[in-house]
Amino acid sequence: GQNIDQPTEMTATEGAIVQINCTYQTSGFNGLFWYQQHAGEAPTFLSYNVLDGLEEKGRFSSFLSRSKGYSYLLLKELQMKDSASYLCAVSGFSSGSARQLTFGSGTQLTVLP
Amino acid sequence: DADVTQTPRNRITKTGKRIMLECSQTKGHDRMYWYRQDPGLGLQLIYYSFDVKDINKGEISDGYSVSRQAQAKFSLSLESAIPNQTALYFCATSDSGGGGSETQYFGPGTRLLVL
Repeated sequence: GQNIDQPTEMTATEGAIVQINCTYQTSGFNGLFWYQQHAGEAPTFLSYNVLDGLEEKGRFSSFLSRSKGYSYLLLKELQMKDSASYLCAVSGFSSGSARQLTFGSGTQLTVLP
Repeated sequence: DADVTQTPRNRITKTGKRIMLECSQTKGHDRMYWYRQDPGLGLQLIYYSFDVKDINKGEISDGYSVSRQAQAKFSLSLESAIPNQTALYFCATSDSGGGGSETQYFGPGTRLLVL
């Protein structure tokens, strides 16, 4: 099976930088995704990492270390609209023979003025 | 127009009733998924389908069934609804290639309340 851990809640100040960590255990690893989900809305895709290293996309960056089973999402120049839940999801073998996405419980980020 | 649509968006039903949630997509993706989300919990996979003739159970399929009527349509049924099926339900789609193309795209969700 797969196991994903991320902090439940984080708080940061507008304009600051925040790092959301995710650790995972899986078999047949085929990539790690980060999604953003505002309350009551659909998750929206932020980033995908399959190789070690940092992927930068505007104010958001995502890092992966496959050997450590570790990823983080870095949000810079925080804005109030960044207040949301951030979901870490891992592609791997969960049950059966096909790879599936397994989601962490999400990190609720609150950005304060 | 939205690429992934779900109907209804909200539904209230009573214990024991049969209900169907529908999902349609215009992304041309082969793969479709049904998830449920409970407050404070992550998304849990109910069923998934990699093409019209392929249906697979996810981690929490008991009490649910699905039908893949066409490449673009995937419906979820609760044969006899019970209160602990009260949740937010999401449909998602993805392509079948590698290199990140299996990124999943989500519909707006259906909020279901079982009384």
